[in-house]
Amino acid sequence: EPEVTQTPSHQVTQMGQEVILRCVPISNHLYFYWYRQILGQKVEFLVSFYNNEISEKSEIFDDQFSVERPDGSNFTLKIRSTKLEDSAMYFCASSEGVGWGASYGYTFGSGTRLTVV
Amino acid sequence: GESVGLHLPTLSVQEGDNSIINCAYSNSASDYFIWYKQESGKGPQFIIDIRSNMDKRQGQRVTVLLNKTVKHLSLQIAATQPGDSAVYFCAEKWTGTASKLTFGTGTRLQVTL
Repeated sequence: EPEVTQTPSHQVTQMGQEVILRCVPISNHLYFYWYRQILGQKVEFLVSFYNNEISEKSEIFDDQFSVERPDGSNFTLKIRSTKLEDSAMYFCASSEGVGWGASYGYTFGSGTRLTVV
Repeated sequence: GESVGLHLPTLSVQEGDNSIINCAYSNSASDYFIWYKQESGKGPQFIIDIRSNMDKRQGQRVTVLLNKTVKHLSLQIAATQPGDSAVYFCAEKWTGTASKLTFGTGTRLQVTL
């Protein structure tokens, strides 16, 4: 079964440092997403990306965050200057379209646990 | 992906029984709903989805029911198995948004032998 792959699985960084979280979406998917889940809280939407541009973003996704699809297979989330409150599990997801049915349903990766110290 | 520390509602069922997990969603204009299962340390896993113009949809061992009048979604799991133990989230897509999903708080399902 196709998978969304995320690396690394765990990243520890010092406050103020830049981090890049990496994702390889499912190959025929066109929509890409980042979500995060702070420990003990809900999964929260950060950003969606389609046709090489951001299609939606949340209030959380401020100027500290950026996304990029540097080549045909990778999708990255960059946090420029990490804060303690950025510590969370970050999930990448992709979908074939925006609609319904198992073929469209978002597929999530296993996540990157980011710990800011 | 754990929800350690979050006081999730917990449903305990015996193996072989049917489970019903409920979700109250927030936006009456939501047009698409998904149920996800999240096991410890993993990402949300798609279970089943339903569009707002339907009130029921069935999959393998799972059924989703949608009641738009009271903004309520339920997931029924038939013949619950130990492997069904996980946290279950409903998610909704608001009409007018292209792809953003808004997740609910989640329910922990514990299957006892």
